[in-house]
Amino acid sequence: DQQVKQNSPSLSVQEGRISILNCDYTNSMFDYFLWYKKYPAEGPTFLISISSIKDKNEDGRFTVFLNKSAKHLSLHIVPSQPGDSAVYFCAASLQGGSEKLVFGKGTKLTVNP
Amino acid sequence: NAGVMQNPRHLVRRRGQEARLRCSPMKGHSHVYWYRQLPEEGLKFMVYLQKENIIDESGMPKERFSAEFPKEGPSILRIQQVVRGDSAAYFCASSDGQFNEQYFGPGTRLTVT
Repeated sequence: DQQVKQNSPSLSVQEGRISILNCDYTNSMFDYFLWYKKYPAEGPTFLISISSIKDKNEDGRFTVFLNKSAKHLSLHIVPSQPGDSAVYFCAASLQGGSEKLVFGKGTKLTVNP
Repeated sequence: NAGVMQNPRHLVRRRGQEARLRCSPMKGHSHVYWYRQLPEEGLKFMVYLQKENIIDESGMPKERFSAEFPKEGPSILRIQQVVRGDSAAYFCASSDGQFNEQYFGPGTRLTVT
C-alpha cells in the first residue's frame, strides 16, 4: 500500500523557470512532511520540511505548499538551475519527534541549460 | 566531516554469506534509522534504534536481518545467509530526537552474487 505517492516519475524544465514537484498522501495521520534531493550513488539530502499546522514554508529558492484537505503537497523551485537536476523524494512521518519516514518513489528532475 | 558515515560503501557477498553494514551517526545524534532502497523504488523503513534499544523494527524482515546500536561504536545492520533479493542500497540516517529531520549517510550498496 503506497501511502505517499509521487505520480510523475520525471519532470523536465528550462533553466530559470519554475519546477513544481507534486506529492499525494493517503494517511491523514501524517503530520510532518519533508523533501529530499538525491544524486546518483549518494544519500538523500534534506531540503525543506513542513508541519501539518502550516500550509507554506519557504527557504530560499525552495517553497513547500501543503493542502491538508486534498492530502497534497508540492515543492516549488524557482528559479531552477542545472545543479537542481536530481531525484526528489517526498516523505511523511506519523507524529512529532523521531519517527520513521514513509517515502514516495521519487521524481527525477532535469533542468536544461 | 561531522556527517553520517557508512561503511563499506560497496559490499559484494555470495549467496549464503553474512553481510555487516556499519553506520556512525552525525555528532550529537542518538537516533539511528535504517532504510533500504530497491532499484526504481523509494526508500523503505527498516528499523529505528537508540543507544542499546530497538525502538521500532516493523520494517525488518522477520528472518536473517538484525540491527544493533551499542553503547559504544557504530550501529550495525546484519544480514545472515544473504540471497539475491537482498541486493539493494542500504541507507542509514540519524537525528537528534528534537526535530523530525533525518540526515542520511551515503549508503552501502550490497550486491549478492
